[in-house]
Amino acid sequence: GAGVSQSPSNKVTEKGKDVELRCDPISGHTALYWYRQSLGQGLEFLIYFQGNSAPDKSGLPSDRFSAERTGGSVSTLTIQRTQQEDSAVYLCASSFQGGAKETQYFGPGTRLLVL
Amino acid sequence: AQSVTQLGSHVSVSEGALVLLRCNYSSSVPPYLFWYVQYPNQGLQLLLKYTTGATLVKGINGFEAEFKKSETSFHLTKPSAHMSDAAEYFCAVSDLISGANSKLTFGKGITLSVRP
Repeated sequence: GAGVSQSPSNKVTEKGKDVELRCDPISGHTALYWYRQSLGQGLEFLIYFQGNSAPDKSGLPSDRFSAERTGGSVSTLTIQRTQQEDSAVYLCASSFQGGAKETQYFGPGTRLLVL
Repeated sequence: AQSVTQLGSHVSVSEGALVLLRCNYSSSVPPYLFWYVQYPNQGLQLLLKYTTGATLVKGINGFEAEFKKSETSFHLTKPSAHMSDAAEYFCAVSDLISGANSKLTFGKGITLSVRP
């Protein structure tokens, strides 16, 4: 498809389990972003990739959160030992080169519920 | 760092009425500003953006916004609301990360309801 895709669309897990969320950006986009959307905090930036490197990880809330990107394409966000406060919608976005004027294109999100 | 303020969390208008969603920003450099819309259970879709040039920006679905530097505002308007406009609207500003790269800093969002 032409847009950003994410999987799974919904994930229910038990507290303490690890989860992996996947993002497939628009082909040719070198910049990839992860954001988190929760009721209390709104939309928060998590991490930014330029190619396979992550020059800005400042938004990751704890060391339980990590992300990688391989082949300059697909990215995986991993949350270890999930907590109930991790419940949120995780949104991925991509843009052509990450410039400030560029439009970021968002995927439909993964809705994570930690029981 | 940049910031965005969207006052109020919910706006309700009648179908056919004017839509006005307010956004104010704080930026130490000339800002690049965006409005995104989110329909239920979907991702964010760009409505319009201001980067440089004309301060009145037209977007999709009949929406427009005007950049007013003196008021640090970027309010979103639509002359006549349609039922399909019911959604959540986010104002955002580009926030430099490193070099020329940036991320988006969002406001809290405003839910727009349209009454028949």
